[in-house]
Amino acid sequence: QSVLTQPPSVSAAPGQKVTISCSGSSSNIGKNYVSWYQQLPGTAPRLLIYENNKRPSGIPDRFSGSKSGTSATLGITGPQTGDEADYYCGTWDSSLGAGVFGGGTKLTVL
Amino acid sequence: EVQLVESGGGLVKPGGSLRLSCAASGFTFSTYSMNWVRQAPGKGLEWVSSIGPTSTSIYYADSLKGRFTISRDNGKSSLYLQMNSLRAEDTAVYYCVGEKAGVTYAYWGQGTLVTVSS
Repeated sequence: QSVLTQPPSVSAAPGQKVTISCSGSSSNIGKNYVSWYQQLPGTAPRLLIYENNKRPSGIPDRFSGSKSGTSATLGITGPQTGDEADYYCGTWDSSLGAGVFGGGTKLTVL
Repeated sequence: EVQLVESGGGLVKPGGSLRLSCAASGFTFSTYSMNWVRQAPGKGLEWVSSIGPTSTSIYYADSLKGRFTISRDNGKSSLYLQMNSLRAEDTAVYYCVGEKAGVTYAYWGQGTLVTVSS
């Protein structure tokens, strides 16, 4: 059971926008920055979004992040087949004194 | 180019020990917090431990306390994880991860597989 809650899977057609939610609590998302990670099949995760809504260099602006209260959302506009991957949210839990991740969401592009 | 290269994984019997290493390059290792994150086969990411730049701040996942020890050598730009009393549920790919401000896991190694089995 992950501390952060994500839907197990989402799907979208190319050209549509898809969102992935990440729900937490006042001790984690409510208090700290949220990051998002993309894990393509058979590879290590990579940073996609940091500090709630910032993109590292090289990440397309199709990817966006937002946070409100104790929830965060990853948005992907016009997903491509190359975006099919597992997506994880992550943050710090100040009560646990530990890093925490969501259970991951598998994106399928129809 | 940032590189994190893990080593030391392998097959170990339950109750055994392993020491993972991570060699870092391409960034100022001594100024970054470092982490170990693991992923069991077919499962999600699980944070294991973190260590601050000067080793004064160290944290562990509650389920691992007392069995795993994180350490670093800034002179060698290296991160370590000593794992004792290993259990089948510790079987996973272990990633070395460089952390930027805001608990951002910015840099990831390719991972090293640890298999605990008799």
